[in-house]
Amino acid sequence: DVKVTQSSRYLVKRTGEKVFLECVQDMDHENMFWYRQDPGLGLRLIYFSYDVKMKEKGDIPEGYSVSREKKERFSLILESASTNQTSMYLCASRVSGQNTEAFFGQGTRLTVV
Amino acid sequence: GEDVEQSLFLSVREGDSSVINCTYTDSSSTYLYWYKQEPGAGLQLLTYIFSNMDMKQDQRLTVLLNKKDKHLSLRIADTQTGDSAIYFCAERPYGSGNTGKLIFGQGTTLQVKP
Repeated sequence: DVKVTQSSRYLVKRTGEKVFLECVQDMDHENMFWYRQDPGLGLRLIYFSYDVKMKEKGDIPEGYSVSREKKERFSLILESASTNQTSMYLCASRVSGQNTEAFFGQGTRLTVV
Repeated sequence: GEDVEQSLFLSVREGDSSVINCTYTDSSSTYLYWYKQEPGAGLQLLTYIFSNMDMKQDQRLTVLLNKKDKHLSLRIADTQTGDSAIYFCAERPYGSGNTGKLIFGQGTTLQVKP
């Protein structure tokens, strides 16, 4: 059974803290994605990675960075958390190909106070 | 740039049909998708349609694609309370290559009343 696991369901952090959100997939997928989900805005792509150590900016990369040291793990880093980064964060992965399904984690709800 | 638009809310009675609509801007999109998000969960792929198709049916789900108007719809027949969820339309733009970058709409919350 396919699995994308995000390390935390809920996180509360203080403004200015460095925050790590972890995502692990067990399907040997090349491509991994980080989205944030906000009411009325849908899912917006922050960063994605198509191979180990490779990354590309999505639509809203400001204030975020990522790390992909191993194929199965994709980390999202908030260098200095701010209240406007309070959101639901979703990780996804998919194998390369023309029309392959993206599998999503259950999401991490981050609150920055 | 690419954009995908959906209405935010739809309420139907159990047993009725639901129609969720979506418009997109990238006429060269290759695939269009419908995802479902149940409360507290991630997104799950419901169905997809290739851009050279007009219609796809899968049990209670019917997807209609009007390429001329760049309009996509999802019809759920005999809607059940278990269909209550957020439904996202997504497009895969031409040129996204093998990475499969998707552009999502805002999501439509479907409320099914008993």
